[in-house]
Amino acid sequence: KAGVTQTPRYLIKTRGQQVTLSCSPISGHRSVSWYQQTPGQGLQFLFEYFSETQRNKGNFPGRFSGRQFSNSRSEMNVSTLELGDSALYLCASSLVARGTDTQYFGPGTRLTVL
Amino acid sequence: AQSVAQPEDQVNVAEGNPLTVKCTYSVSGNPYLFWYVQYPNRGLQFLLKYITGDNLVKGSYGFEAEFNKSQTSFHLKKPSALVSDSALYFCAVRDVGNNQGGKLIFGQGTELSVKP
Repeated sequence: KAGVTQTPRYLIKTRGQQVTLSCSPISGHRSVSWYQQTPGQGLQFLFEYFSETQRNKGNFPGRFSGRQFSNSRSEMNVSTLELGDSALYLCASSLVARGTDTQYFGPGTRLTVL
Repeated sequence: AQSVAQPEDQVNVAEGNPLTVKCTYSVSGNPYLFWYVQYPNRGLQFLLKYITGDNLVKGSYGFEAEFNKSQTSFHLKKPSALVSDSALYFCAVRDVGNNQGGKLIFGQGTELSVKP
């Protein structure tokens, strides 16, 4: 079974631009979560989606948004990019959104904001 | 608030020796605990989890972890370290009781270095 895929793998943007990242979960998985990883803040939760509904949201400004489609694929969008948004963005999928479920992570999208 | 602590930024071990990567947690309700490993420029790979039952959990690549409720710890162990085990290890917790859904709370990570 194919793992979680994320596209693109690398992105370079300039301040003020916006960016959209894509995540395809493992086949059959209906829950997708997004995390931001930076050297200073570590791994921080962004959003969780299940059946096209956002179930949880982390403490990020409104510039960060996301959505999930009927095929469980998910996208996240960051508008008005800031230098501090440079990070590795990780997507994880699980069967449903239960606490016992294992989240399987994709390889991440490395975003660099210049 | 739920939290996870990994008290050691780095652990150095000689190949063939046992290794331990420490993790302590603080949650209200039942803790669901996970260990992940991250190799350079890669995503996180799942190693093992504790949900309920036996306090000793066995996982991938020969790793195991011991859940200790009284000490609120979930240390990762391996009897004989390999050079290829060198990577960044993350402990994470999810507290279902507070309706946290799928959200994982991660420790800051421990860099494991295994020398030949």
